Amino acid sequence: DTAVSQTPKYLVTQMGNDKSIKCEQNLGHDTMYWYKQDSKKFLKIMFSYNNKELIINETVPNRFSPKSPDKAHLNLHINSLELGDSAVYFCASSPKPDTGLYGYTFGSGTRLTVV
Amino acid sequence: GENVEQHPSTLSVQEGDSAVIKCTYSDSASNYFPWYKQELGKGPQLIIDIRSNVGEKKDQRIAVTLNKTAKHFSLHITETQPEDSAVYFCAAREGYSTLTFGKGTMLLVSP
Repeated sequence: DTAVSQTPKYLVTQMGNDKSIKCEQNLGHDTMYWYKQDSKKFLKIMFSYNNKELIINETVPNRFSPKSPDKAHLNLHINSLELGDSAVYFCASSPKPDTGLYGYTFGSGTRLTVV
Repeated sequence: GENVEQHPSTLSVQEGDSAVIKCTYSDSASNYFPWYKQELGKGPQLIIDIRSNVGEKKDQRIAVTLNKTAKHFSLHITETQPEDSAVYFCAAREGYSTLTFGKGTMLLVSP
């Protein structure tokens, strides 16, 4: 199936730990994103990344860092986890806008709970 | 940057009724306006989108209208069914910028 897949689906961890969430897309898209969805369902952009440029939302703590081994993968590393990091994290991807296609395809989300 | 306002935050309708969700945007350069549906435990899924050179687009029971002058766009769902119950997000984007989402509308369709 063509899709954006992220793992794990659920992640429970203690404060202070370091964790990673993986994301892979097989759609041939050029740009990938990480969004954070809080308890009020608000979708907030954290990063956008293509093979040329990383754009970081300035409100994202530097404990969060994206790692992209190749065009099809964008993993999210989180250091020194805090209670406030608990949320659902979504990976998404999109083709180049000059293709005339602008829509994002989202993964199914990773629910992170910090205890 | 772009700012997207979405109303209402919750909407309850009876099965068979119509539902309308409205959004406004701030950046007149935005030219792409998608709508996403998010079911419980799933990621947002694109259900319909509209470009700035089009005023209205329809796909079966859902339609989107765009008023560029007023900088607002709306989602219309007719003959609602219980499976339409979900959170709906509007969004706006200009070319190479990232999508900016509204805060979502929880739609509940009662049988």
